[in-house]
Amino acid sequence: DAGVIQSPRHEVTEMGQEVTLRCKPISGHNSLFWYRQTMMRGLELLIYFNNNVPIDDSGMPEDRFSAKMPNASFSTLKIQPSEPRDSAVYFCASSQPAGQGWNTDTQYFGPGTRLTVL
Amino acid sequence: DQQVKQNSPSLSVQEGRISILNCDYTNSMFDYFLWYKKYPAEGPTFLISISSIKDKNEDGRFTVFLNKSAKHLSLHIVPSQPGDSAVYFCAVLNQGGKLIFGQGTELSVKP
Repeated sequence: DAGVIQSPRHEVTEMGQEVTLRCKPISGHNSLFWYRQTMMRGLELLIYFNNNVPIDDSGMPEDRFSAKMPNASFSTLKIQPSEPRDSAVYFCASSQPAGQGWNTDTQYFGPGTRLTVL
Repeated sequence: DQQVKQNSPSLSVQEGRISILNCDYTNSMFDYFLWYKKYPAEGPTFLISISSIKDKNEDGRFTVFLNKSAKHLSLHIVPSQPGDSAVYFCAVLNQGGKLIFGQGTELSVKP
């Protein structure tokens, strides 16, 4: 398996532009997570989906951020309009929950998208 | 407010010596703790975990210690190798089933 795939790997855009980050989870995984990494706050969970349904989006910083998962093999994170403070590395992760609880040992991360907003 | 804190942004250790990475958390209700390792230009990968019913878990050169009364956990790497150079994140599993990560500690193991 190719693992979690994210695109693009790098994105440079200007303030006010729309940015769309893409993720393909590992086949068979039914949970998908979007994280943001910054120097100040480390890795923060933005939103996660279970069986394509958003379960918790409390980490989404504001209305400029939105995420979708139209099917089991694809998710997008959109920022519109983008701002310089959105510059960070955005990770997507997927997992296969075991039993009734979350087996977080098995969250597999993609390589990330480094976003720079000028 | 940071619920999980890694107060050392970086650590430098000589090859063969012990590396000790520290992590503090604020909520005594947390009961599952993990360490992730991240190389440049890659996503984090799971390294080792510990449940609150234990105070130690060992996997080869890696050992995680949990001190519940102090709300502190640490990762020991013995002996340290240059290939261990990476950013290490500690994480806790909250009651909602979400992972909360610390800011990370960059470990550099010098030959």
